[in-house]
Amino acid sequence: NAGVTQTPKFQVLKTGQSMTLQCAQDMNHEYMSWYRQDPGMGLRLIHYSVGAGITDQGEVPNGYNVSRSTTEDFPLRLLSAAPSQTSVYFCASSYQGPDQPQHFGDGTRLSIL
Amino acid sequence: GQQLNQSPQSMFIQEGEDVSMNCTSSSIFNTWLWYKQDPGEGPVLLIALYKAGELTSNGRLTAQFGITRKDSFLNISASIPSDVGIYFCAGHRAGSSGDKLTFGTGTRLAVRP
Repeated sequence: NAGVTQTPKFQVLKTGQSMTLQCAQDMNHEYMSWYRQDPGMGLRLIHYSVGAGITDQGEVPNGYNVSRSTTEDFPLRLLSAAPSQTSVYFCASSYQGPDQPQHFGDGTRLSIL
Repeated sequence: GQQLNQSPQSMFIQEGEDVSMNCTSSSIFNTWLWYKQDPGEGPVLLIALYKAGELTSNGRLTAQFGITRKDSFLNISASIPSDVGIYFCAGHRAGSSGDKLTFGTGTRLAVRP
């Protein structure tokens, strides 16, 4: 089992560009989520999904879109990148909800110039 | 958005010493979880607590769910060099505001051999 796979691992963008961060899990987990990690601020929830076709906003959703067309995939889209979105992004999944063990990917390190 | 307050922010200890850290919130949570993050990786679950007053151990780690449901504590006994990393608490409370996990700001642990 691969667990949670995030691609790319590193990315540099220019302000205004758009891109999609990919996240895939092979554990048949219903709950998936995206976090950003900034120094001194821990992990902040961007968006989450309780199952295919259902998504909801977290603490810091502005500037990001998500969709969940399959159980396995949960891509995160940056619509128009801004320097404030420079961060490390983590995708996580769990069997049914966030109170169960979250399996995290290794992260995507994103820099916006 | 709410974040949990973790203390201390960082610790630098001698190998073999015991470590204590805590997490507090202004809100009640139904579940407390403790994660550890190694450099360059995503967080990994250490201990999950589901009941107020619960005390749970995992090897040298012991965590407690506070009676008020607004706090949690993690202790590490006889620290070793591989304990180095960032420790995060996380609280869960499903409700009208959604099914989300809120993370603390983290405690960074360094161990001196």
